[in-house]
Amino acid sequence: NAGVTQTPKFRVLKTGQSMTLLCAQDMNHEYMYWYRQDPGMGLRLIHYSVGEGTTAKGEVPDGYNVSRLKKQNFLLGLESAAPSQTSVYFCASNDRGGPGTQYFGPGTRLLVL
Amino acid sequence: DQQVKQNSPSLSVQEGRISILNCDYTNSMFDYFLWYKKYPAEGPTFLISISSIKDKNEDGRFTVFLNKSAKHLSLHIVPSQPGDSAVYFCAATALQAGKSTFGDGTTLTVKP
Repeated sequence: NAGVTQTPKFRVLKTGQSMTLLCAQDMNHEYMYWYRQDPGMGLRLIHYSVGEGTTAKGEVPDGYNVSRLKKQNFLLGLESAAPSQTSVYFCASNDRGGPGTQYFGPGTRLLVL
Repeated sequence: DQQVKQNSPSLSVQEGRISILNCDYTNSMFDYFLWYKKYPAEGPTFLISISSIKDKNEDGRFTVFLNKSAKHLSLHIVPSQPGDSAVYFCAATALQAGKSTFGDGTTLTVKP
């Protein structure tokens, strides 16, 4: 099992450009999450999904959109990147009915110039 | 309003001694608490958890204590090892909500 994978690992964008971050999990988990981590700060929830076809806003959703068309994939989109979106992005998943233990991907480092 | 707080950004201990990491929360709806460990350039990994119906959970060198009345939990690592050097995140979950709230993390350095 690969667990949770994220693509790409690193990306540099110019202000105003768009991109999509892909998260994939092979554990058949119902729940998936996108977080961002800034220096000296914890993980802040951007958006999450409690099942295929569903999405919900987290703490810091502005400037991001998400889609969960397939159970195993959760996409995070930046329509018009801003320097404030420079961060490390983590995807995670966990199973419905479990204790809430989340399994994280390795992260995507994004730099917006 | 930060619902989960780790007031110590960093902690340094000697190898073999005890490490105690602390976490406070404000939301009484949280019913499950977890600790994650994170090495540089990697994603967080689950370390240990505790349900709100318990006050202690132990797993090898790691023990988590929960004081519900004080809304406080702590992670004890005994004995500490250099490989324990990492960032530790406390997370609180309201299981029905399906999501967790994380603290800002504590960087633990264990000196040989």
